[in-house]
Amino acid sequence: AQRVTQPEKLLSVFKGAPVELKCNYSYSGSPELFWYVQYSRQRLQLLLRHISRESIKGFTADLNKGETSFHLKKPFAQEEDSAMYYCALKANFNKFYFGSGTKLNVKP
Amino acid sequence: DAGVTQSPTHLIKTRGQHVTLRCSPISGHKSVSWYQQVLGQGPQFIFQYYEKEERGRGNFPDRFSARQFPNYSSELNVNALLLGDSALYLCASSFGGAGSGNEQFFGPGTRLTVL
Repeated sequence: AQRVTQPEKLLSVFKGAPVELKCNYSYSGSPELFWYVQYSRQRLQLLLRHISRESIKGFTADLNKGETSFHLKKPFAQEEDSAMYYCALKANFNKFYFGSGTKLNVKP
Repeated sequence: DAGVTQSPTHLIKTRGQHVTLRCSPISGHKSVSWYQQVLGQGPQFIFQYYEKEERGRGNFPDRFSARQFPNYSSELNVNALLLGDSALYLCASSFGGAGSGNEQFFGPGTRLTVL
């Protein structure tokens, strides 16, 4: 069955520290994976997708099919990165599966 | 463009009632998806509509139904409401189907409370 797991509900780091938000997935097909972010009082929005292999706001994520992971990383966290982050998997028939989210708190 | 809009913002219903939630996509977008987000969890996929046809369905009972109109707006209907239907209902629109290359833009959501 398709599943997205984000093991950490809350992640607190100091400004300037590296951050890694973990995401593991379970899917028998070829996965399409995404990271969404929700800043305080704002709408859920796309941060990045694995097929683009891009860096957005300093964040990167690499799809590791062997470990079925799609961890989100940033070398130097900023206070404005504090938000709720969701990992999502697009499966067949246009179904999206979201993880339960990780709240990132970047302390000054 | 105001982005994806949803109405109403908040709604309170009692068990057994019926509810209709509405969504207007971004101008030019032809696809609308619906999600249910229970407190403390991530969004859970309910439906996707593209060009007025259902293109995806999540694991929700038949009490949940939706449709898309010729102007690409959409309604989500829930019959025989249960307490467990209390959640934030999100709508997302995209230009094409919700596939790769078609970013989904989310609305602010409708908060449904079932008493």
